[in-house]
This record gives sequence, C-alpha cells and structure tokens, in this order.
Amino acid sequence: NAGVMQNPRHLVRRRGQEARLRCSPMKGHSHVYWYRQLPEEGLKFMVYLQKENIIDESGMPKERFSAEFPKEGPSILRIQQVVRGDSAAYFCASSPASGVYNEQFFGPGTRLTVL
Amino acid sequence: AQSVAQPEDQVNVAEGNPLTVKCTYSVSGNPYLFWYVQYPNRGLQFLLKYITGDNLVKGSYGFEAEFNKSQTSFHLKKPSALVSDSALYFCAVRDQTGANNLFFGTGTRLTVIP
Repeated sequence: NAGVMQNPRHLVRRRGQEARLRCSPMKGHSHVYWYRQLPEEGLKFMVYLQKENIIDESGMPKERFSAEFPKEGPSILRIQQVVRGDSAAYFCASSPASGVYNEQFFGPGTRLTVL
Repeated sequence: AQSVAQPEDQVNVAEGNPLTVKCTYSVSGNPYLFWYVQYPNRGLQFLLKYITGDNLVKGSYGFEAEFNKSQTSFHLKKPSALVSDSALYFCAVRDQTGANNLFFGTGTRLTVIP
C-alpha cells in the first residue's frame, strides 16, 4: 500500500509565478490536510479537504492561496504570484476518516524555493 | 485554543542511555496527543498517540510516552537510545472541539552520540 505521495519534491519559482503542489492520499483515504513548515519551525495547518469539499481553511492565507480535492485525481495546493516568504516545505497528510482519534499519515513534502 | 510547547530545541544523549523529549500542552477539555518523527528531507512518521486509557503509551521503534494530566505533559521516552534515533521530533495535539487539524510544537532535534 503506497503511502501519501507528493510531487514535485522540489519546486523552484521566480517571484510572481504560480506554484502547483500535488498530493495523492493513501489508498482508501478520503481526507486530506495541507501543512506548511517554515525553516526551524513546526508545521502549521493550512487547509482540510474531503473529496470536492473544503472543510476547514482557517489556516490558509486570505490571498493567493487556494486548494482543491476533485472527485478524480490528486489534491492541489495552488499559490499564485509567489513571493520569497512563500519559500517553505509544504506537507500533505491524509486519514481514512475524520475524528479526533485518527492519526494523519504524511507525505514526503514539496520544498518550494522562490527566487 | 490549543497549543503545544517543546521547551528544548536540542537534546543530546549518548548511545545506550535513556532519552526523554519533553512536551507540554494546553487544550480545552480532553487532549488527544501525538508524537511524530522527521528524518532529513522526509515527511513526518507517526510514532504513537494518546487518546484515552492507560497513561503509558507504547509506540514504534521502542518509543513510549507518558500522559500526565496534572502536569499537562506528554513526554516521549526510550530506555536505550540508538544513533539511528537522531532526528527531529514533533509533539502534536487535538482537542474535543472536533477540529481535525493537528497543532504542532516547534520540534526538538535529538542527537544520539555514538
């Protein structure tokens, strides 16, 4: 059973470009979470999605960031007009169900560098 | 609001000695606590969790953690450290509000010295 897959693993963008990060959850998991890790910091929650629905986006910046989890295909985290402060590691996690008891399984992350 | 504190940025321990990585938390109601480990350029791997029941929780790779409600702590322990345990360790918490996201501490870098 493959784990959570993220691609690309490394992404370099120039200021003003768009970044698209993809996440395929573990087989059988329908809940996806995105987290951001800045250097020397812990992970910060961004958004929680189920298929075709955004459940909680309380951690998402109000502008330039969006996320989707379509009926078919991976979840996408999209960052428009990137700035240097967006440089970070972005992790996706998945779980089989909602609920406070369930641990989340993390992907290897996408390291975004904005030049 | 939930919060997690890992008071030590760095912990060094000699191989074969016991190790402790500290974590304290603040939540409304009962906490649900998790430990994850992160190796360089990798994602987080789940180690163990406390939901309810026995205060001593056993997890992967010989790790265990003790839930202490009065001290609001959930320290990670291992009786005998291995060099391969060297990594970044994160404590995380959820509360009963139903929020599905995890609140993470800032991490503790464990170095096991041969």
